Amino acid sequence: DTEVTQTPKHLVMGMTNKKSLKCEQHMGHRAMYWYKQKAKKPPELMFVYSYEKLSINESVPSRFSPECPNSSLLNLHLHALQPEDSALYLCASSQKSGEDQPQHFGDGTRLSIL
Amino acid sequence: QKEVEQNSGPLSVPEGAIASLNCTYSDRGSQSFFWYRQYSGKSPELIMFIYSNGDKEDGRFTAQLNKASQYVSLLIRDSQPSDSATYLCAVGTYNQGGKLIFGQGTELSVKP
Repeated sequence: DTEVTQTPKHLVMGMTNKKSLKCEQHMGHRAMYWYKQKAKKPPELMFVYSYEKLSINESVPSRFSPECPNSSLLNLHLHALQPEDSALYLCASSQKSGEDQPQHFGDGTRLSIL
Repeated sequence: QKEVEQNSGPLSVPEGAIASLNCTYSDRGSQSFFWYRQYSGKSPELIMFIYSNGDKEDGRFTAQLNKASQYVSLLIRDSQPSDSATYLCAVGTYNQGGKLIFGQGTELSVKP
């Protein structure tokens, strides 16, 4: 079991649907991350939140909208996704943002776009 | 372009042997180095991190860092079939806000 909890574990949605991915950590970490991972590829960074503020957006399409309601929660709102957005979406957290901070991943949400 | 390179494998070793996984990086400003293990269909799991030149040991795992040669390696002693996974090398660079650059990963297969 990981200390970063992601829900749901699996999600199937149509291209016109709106859904949200959720991530929660109770380790007191102040940096949280969203990654996208395709099969047999490394994780690709999407967003970084540091102290509940968006600090990095890796030029992600606007159909992905992150939200950090408080220091423990991170959401990723999805709207009008494309089939190529099907992937494993990973949330991670670290004590703070910085190059020396180990990041701990949740189990991920496996997303399929029909 | 900052790059992290790993042999994709698969690297096959017999049970009980030492598995050696290597990673090179291009940015001399890189400060921090992380090894993640990822089982098929699962999420990455942090197994080691190292910041200083030299060796760092944790159980059967040893991370080795040589900043002058810009490489970092992971040794797994007494390899077990349960070590069969993809190992991802990730590098953190100063002033990048926590962004890690990942290598493509090395697939390790430990044969009984």
